[in-house]
Amino acid sequence: GAGVSQSPSNKVTEKGKDVELRCDPISGHTALYWYRQRLGQGLEFLIYFQGNSAPDKSGLPSDRFSAERTGESVSTLTIQRTQQEDSAVYLCASSLGVRSDLSYNEQFFGPGTRLTVL
Amino acid sequence: KQEVTQIPAALSVPEGENLVLNCSFTDSAIYNLQWFRQDPGKGLTSLLLIQSSQREQTSGRLNASLDKSSGRSTLYIAASQPGDSATYLCAASYSGAGSYQLTFGKGTKLSVIP
Repeated sequence: GAGVSQSPSNKVTEKGKDVELRCDPISGHTALYWYRQRLGQGLEFLIYFQGNSAPDKSGLPSDRFSAERTGESVSTLTIQRTQQEDSAVYLCASSLGVRSDLSYNEQFFGPGTRLTVL
Repeated sequence: KQEVTQIPAALSVPEGENLVLNCSFTDSAIYNLQWFRQDPGKGLTSLLLIQSSQREQTSGRLNASLDKSSGRSTLYIAASQPGDSATYLCAASYSGAGSYQLTFGKGTKLSVIP
């Protein structure tokens, strides 16, 4: 079946503009994650959605960042008033869920959106 | 603060050689450890996932081990091929709240020379 898809693949924007990044998880996956990878850095956790539970937003770096998810499908990550330090690759992942069963925890990643803020 | 470290940052080997990639983590309360490969311009591909109760997982030419007591994991690649050239990332999740969050190392960039 299809993997995790993300759009756009590349986004160049001017400082101060808002951007929206989209993620389509694997069908049937209830858990969805957003990560950020800045140049030369490891991936950083941003936010996690699990079914209808309240999302874990603990990794969002500032209140300019927000994310939504419609049911168990598409998610959008919005960055308002972008800054140059927001330039990074934003990666989305999904998993069947989260529980003790090993197979449920394995995260599958999309190709990412490369964001460049000028 | 939980940290994952991968050394070396880059590795170059001739084709056919067996090799080991290293990953160390700071907290023994590990829940899962996952190895990925990342190709330029592409997302991460999951290679192996080891649960904390396991010691190793194998898939084809790949074998990943986990030693919680020493805070180490290794990824063994047998009979390396040029197609194995990529950046290999190690990521750990920890028990308790947020056990789904992966903490990543910065990766080891592997080059397999034909």
